Amino acid sequence: DAKTTQPPSMDCAEGRAANLPCNHSTISGNEYVYWYRQIHSQGPQYIIHGLKNNETNEMASLIITEDRKSSTLILPHATLRDTAVYYCIVSPRGTGANSKLTFGKGITLSVRP
Amino acid sequence: NAGVTQTPKFQVLKTGQSMTLQCAQDMNHEYMSWYRQDPGMGLRLIHYSVGAGITDQGEVPNGYNVSRSTTEDFPLRLLSAAPSQTSVYFCASSYSTLGANYGYTFGSGTRLTVV
Repeated sequence: DAKTTQPPSMDCAEGRAANLPCNHSTISGNEYVYWYRQIHSQGPQYIIHGLKNNETNEMASLIITEDRKSSTLILPHATLRDTAVYYCIVSPRGTGANSKLTFGKGITLSVRP
Repeated sequence: NAGVTQTPKFQVLKTGQSMTLQCAQDMNHEYMSWYRQDPGMGLRLIHYSVGAGITDQGEVPNGYNVSRSTTEDFPLRLLSAAPSQTSVYFCASSYSTLGANYGYTFGSGTRLTVV
């Protein structure tokens, strides 16, 4: 059973913010929201993760709703190099046995010039 | 600091041949895992290890063996390759202790074709 739901694709203009949505209505209290991306068949790259507070790092911001049933990954100024498949994953944090990442099909973001 | 290194990058096997996909990390990560990715699909977990001497099965373990004799290395063995094992294989590692799990580091992948 899929734990997250993402639209299959979206696009945005270069230089604009890209807002990538994710639904995770069955998320458990001990599960974090992780975002990874995969650029053209390279290995996936970790972006950000959070529990219930909004998070920001040098790559992106993560906004999690108060009920934790959905989240949005924000790339504030998208560039052509951000064109990739973005995966939203929910998983417990901690020891490896409990924090296996289950990847769905993700959302394909296309950044247009 | 090389991160996660996978070898070879490309491999063609005949049905029934055996081979080992190598994965090494230099970050002293306790947790290592192998994924496969088929066209148009997400990554599926094959095997994982939470430390040297400890391995366990993931979602699609059949046809694959693993061992973890050192912290650094986590090889994936195909004993008798089948065309259904044609895929891109990714190795990943991370810290496993609470408070230090800031995401997995992935290798660049091994593209395997079984004919």
